[in-house]
Amino acid sequence: GEDVEQSLFLSVREGDSSVINCTYTDSSSTYLYWYKQEPGAGLQLLTYIFSNMDMKQDQRLTVLLNKKDKHLSLRIADTQTGDSAIYFCAESIRNTDKLIFGTGTRLQVFP
Amino acid sequence: SQTIHQWPATLVQPVGSPLSLECTVEGTSNPNLYWYRQAAGRGLQLLFYSVGIGQISSEVPQNLSASRPQDRQFILSSKKLLLSDSGFYLCAWSDHRPGATTEAFFGQGTRLTVV
Repeated sequence: GEDVEQSLFLSVREGDSSVINCTYTDSSSTYLYWYKQEPGAGLQLLTYIFSNMDMKQDQRLTVLLNKKDKHLSLRIADTQTGDSAIYFCAESIRNTDKLIFGTGTRLQVFP
Repeated sequence: SQTIHQWPATLVQPVGSPLSLECTVEGTSNPNLYWYRQAAGRGLQLLFYSVGIGQISSEVPQNLSASRPQDRQFILSSKKLLLSDSGFYLCAWSDHRPGATTEAFFGQGTRLTVV
């Protein structure tokens, strides 16, 4: 079945790097995504990676994909207080229109 | 540009009462539509998704149902709410293009409290 897991909490100091991890079970995913949710709001797409790529960099964001271990990570460089939010990884399932989300990681940035 | 509207923003309903949450999308045609529920500590759970009018896929057996009476309208319903139905409900849409990324655009959510 499709299952996406994340750790629930991460706390980092402002200026440090944050690494949020995600594991998934379905090997037929086509794209993997990272979404950000501000308090009391919907989700917004941060970045995505195609399943045949290993890494994608977008400004302060670096996505690493290990297909063998079914592990996805999001690294945020120079983390700021405005990065405090819940981060969800998600996968789209090949040949369907399903979009499966993880449990979400609450990132807290302290000064 | 495309927009998604979801209402109401908050709702308090007694146990056993009916539910109707509505979501509409503007500026696109034939979108994929999704209903998710976000409960504390359980992440974002896919409840229903639809690839076209009248086509509903249910992911989780429960006392909720969904309908898509028009191309850009998606409704989440219940005949009798349970306490466990409390949560934050999010509607989303994505482009229905084969091979494209399934980037989803979310509404602002409905906070449902069943009392």
